[in-house]
Amino acid sequence: AQSVAQPEDQVNVAEGNPLTVKCTYSVSGNPYLFWYVQYPNRGLQFLLKYITGDNLVKGSYGFEAEFNKSQTSFHLKKPSALVSDSALYFCAVRDPDSGGYQKVTFGIGTKLQVIP
Amino acid sequence: DTEVTQTPKHLVMGMTNKKSLKCEQHMGHRAMYWYKQKAKKPPELMFVYSYEKLSINESVPSRFSPECPNSSLLNLHLHALQPEDSALYLCASSQGSTAPQYFGPGTRLTVL
Repeated sequence: AQSVAQPEDQVNVAEGNPLTVKCTYSVSGNPYLFWYVQYPNRGLQFLLKYITGDNLVKGSYGFEAEFNKSQTSFHLKKPSALVSDSALYFCAVRDPDSGGYQKVTFGIGTKLQVIP
Repeated sequence: DTEVTQTPKHLVMGMTNKKSLKCEQHMGHRAMYWYKQKAKKPPELMFVYSYEKLSINESVPSRFSPECPNSSLLNLHLHALQPEDSALYLCASSQGSTAPQYFGPGTRLTVL
């Protein structure tokens, strides 16, 4: 079974400071990992993914994430936070060995609040 | 075109009504999904269609009935819903096992 944990319900960061939103996962094989962002009353927007290759992946809006296999983590980062980054962030995992066409498991979400 | 559209944006219905939610994508994606999302919770998978065939049903009550008329369209037929079914219903599509899902803006459903 696949699972993903986001240990923080909320992360507060000052505008201009670096931000990190944490995610750890559990799968039986090599994971496919994704980050999505959701603004109020909207659908989820894809930010970035890790499938294979370089452990540091870059995505939309200046976000990046680092895959760490030994720590089973995939933390989302941004060097300088903007107020407009304030939203709900979801980490998601798919175990390619789990069967079922593209069934992904989402974390519970982390609310990011960027303070002006 | 990287957009998934959903109609209506808002829907209020009584417990005896029959209504439908619609979803459309023109990205050539072969997998389409319905999710239910409660406030401040992650999306919960309901159904997955792969190549226009239902491939996953996450034990959803029969008062929700999905339909995929063609590769671009996905419907969710609603009948005899309960107030606890009130939620944001999200449609998504994707192409390939390593591809991300693209989500529509959702339909906010209220069951009275």
